[in-house]
Amino acid sequence: AQSVTQLDSQVPVFEEAPVELRCNYSSSVSVYLFWYVQYPNQGLQLLLKYLSGSTLVKSINGFEAEFNKSQTSFHLRKPSVHISDTAEYFCAVSVPSGYSTLTFGKGTMLLVSP
Amino acid sequence: SQTIHQWPATLVQPVGSPLSLECTVEGTSNPNLYWYRQAAGRGLQLLFYSIGIGQISSEVPQNLSASRPQDRQFILSSKKLLLSDSGFYLCAWSRTGITEAFFGQGTRLTVV
Repeated sequence: AQSVTQLDSQVPVFEEAPVELRCNYSSSVSVYLFWYVQYPNQGLQLLLKYLSGSTLVKSINGFEAEFNKSQTSFHLRKPSVHISDTAEYFCAVSVPSGYSTLTFGKGTMLLVSP
Repeated sequence: SQTIHQWPATLVQPVGSPLSLECTVEGTSNPNLYWYRQAAGRGLQLLFYSIGIGQISSEVPQNLSASRPQDRQFILSSKKLLLSDSGFYLCAWSRTGITEAFFGQGTRLTVV
């Protein structure tokens, strides 16, 4: 079975500062990794994913994450955050199969203040 | 394009009452369908998933059940709600063989 650990339940940061949201996973087999974002009272939106190939993946709104197999990590970073980035971020893992039963971390609330 | 509809958005139900939450997907056929529950501070927990009509897999034994009467329809039910059933319920779908899931807007259920 797989598990995901998001070490920080809340990360406060000032606007235009850099941020890193940490994610570590545990699995005995190869995995796919995902970051989802959730705005208040809404569903989850896929932010970015790692399936194979380049270990650095990027989203269209400036976020990036790097898959580190030796450290079993998939940390999310952004060099300069905006107020609108305030949301909850979930790291998730799945194993290659015909359906994507995702295992989620408990989430990290990113709070961006002016 | 594909869309997923989930309703109602909010629901307040008394303890012991029945529950029916509905989810439908448009723009695709034979999707994999999922029900997740989100409790504060606990992340998302997979409740049920389905790879076809009438095929339901349960991940967690509980007071809930799921059904898939049509290819793109997924229903979450309960005969008698408990206080512990309160939470945010999310429906999701994915394509067979494709990894990422796409989520609905969720239903906030409060059992009183």
